[in-house]
Amino acid sequence: DTGVSQDPRHKITKRGQNVTFRCDPISEHNRLYWYRQTLGQGPEFLTYFQNEAQLEKSRLLSDRFSAERPKGSFSTLEIQRTEQGDSAMYLCASSLQGQYDGEAFFGQGTRLTVV
Amino acid sequence: AQSVTQPDIHITVSEGASLELRCNYSYGATPYLFWYVQSPGQGLQLLLKYFSGDTLVQGIKGFEAEFKRSQSSFNLRKPSVHWSDAAEYFCAVMDSSYKLIFGSGTRLLVRP
Repeated sequence: DTGVSQDPRHKITKRGQNVTFRCDPISEHNRLYWYRQTLGQGPEFLTYFQNEAQLEKSRLLSDRFSAERPKGSFSTLEIQRTEQGDSAMYLCASSLQGQYDGEAFFGQGTRLTVV
Repeated sequence: AQSVTQPDIHITVSEGASLELRCNYSYGATPYLFWYVQSPGQGLQLLLKYFSGDTLVQGIKGFEAEFKRSQSSFNLRKPSVHWSDAAEYFCAVMDSSYKLIFGSGTRLLVRP
């Protein structure tokens, strides 16, 4: 297993367009998280899945954002009608429920630039 | 509410010198604490974690951290810094729903 992978690594889009990012977690991990990181800040939690169930969403996640994890495997994060304020690094992480709850492994992120 | 404070935005040390990065947390129960490192344009790599037991934890790349409940601190240390350690370091606490709450990070610069 090569770890958590995210696609694309970079995305430039025009304001108002929709974008979708994909995250493939470590295969046996049942928890998947999305975070957003803006320049000079630490990552901020967006949403969390346990298997296919979306268990928590941050208040940061406006109704333009939607995330899915069909069949409890990969996940997608869609942003509709992008705004310049959406420009950030979007990080995905996965973890395995069990003895080391919370030991999350991160992907390399998708950097979104909205122009 | 849970929170993490990293009071130093930037730290500059000379190569070979010792390093200590500060982290203070606010959490009601026994915390699960983490340090991650991020190189420019990259994701986060776990350096070390504290769940329970020995309050001095060892991590990768020669890093260690000490959990001090009385001070609500989890400072990261390294006895001798290498130029390749230049990066951004994030302290995090895990909340009751298993998500991480991060500090704002400390950028480490290493002087040759």
